[in-house]
Amino acid sequence: ETGVTQSPTHLIKTRGQQVTLRCSSQSGHNTVSWYQQALGQGPQFIFQYYREEENGRGNFPPRFSGLQFPNYSSELNVNALELDDSALYLCASSLAGNGGATGELFFGEGSRLTVL
Amino acid sequence: AQSVTQLDSQVPVFEEAPVELRCNYSSSVSVYLFWYVQYPNQGLQLLLKYLSGSTLVESINGFEAEFNKSQTSFHLRKPSVHISDTAEYFCAVIRDNQGGKLIFGQGTELSVKP
Repeated sequence: ETGVTQSPTHLIKTRGQQVTLRCSSQSGHNTVSWYQQALGQGPQFIFQYYREEENGRGNFPPRFSGLQFPNYSSELNVNALELDDSALYLCASSLAGNGGATGELFFGEGSRLTVL
Repeated sequence: AQSVTQLDSQVPVFEEAPVELRCNYSSSVSVYLFWYVQYPNQGLQLLLKYLSGSTLVESINGFEAEFNKSQTSFHLRKPSVHISDTAEYFCAVIRDNQGGKLIFGQGTELSVKP
């Protein structure tokens, strides 16, 4: 069984730049969620994708956007990077339908973004 | 709105001692409760969960947690910890109609000393 994989593992950007983070979901999982974990904090929900559509969003501005592809993999895009965007970005996959069967979330190891 | 409070940011403990990591939540609707563990430089792993049924849930590595609806708590316990239990532990809640949208606490750093 293939787990959740994320790339890149580390990256450094400067303010104002754009970044794309990638996630391959666990085999058979059709739902992907993205979380931001700032240093010393718990993860915060950014958004979730199900059947290639956004299915729930946390308190993040529109410059945080995403995609889900037919193979259920996903991208997180952040435009106009700010210093406070420095964090560990976690992707989680699950098998859930629209409306939310609970299910267990399987997390990747994250992409650590540093914004200078 | 739901929220999760982990009452201790750091818990130092000696090996083989018991430990309790405290978690309280607030919600006006039914929720599901989780404990996740994060080892250094790794992602989150599910430790245990309460969805329904018995209020006492156990993990395969000796941790247990009890759902207490009247006290809105879901404390994590282990009777005897090991060095390998050193990690960050996160309590999380999810509403029963919002699968995938976990609300996490701030985390508790468990440090087990020899």
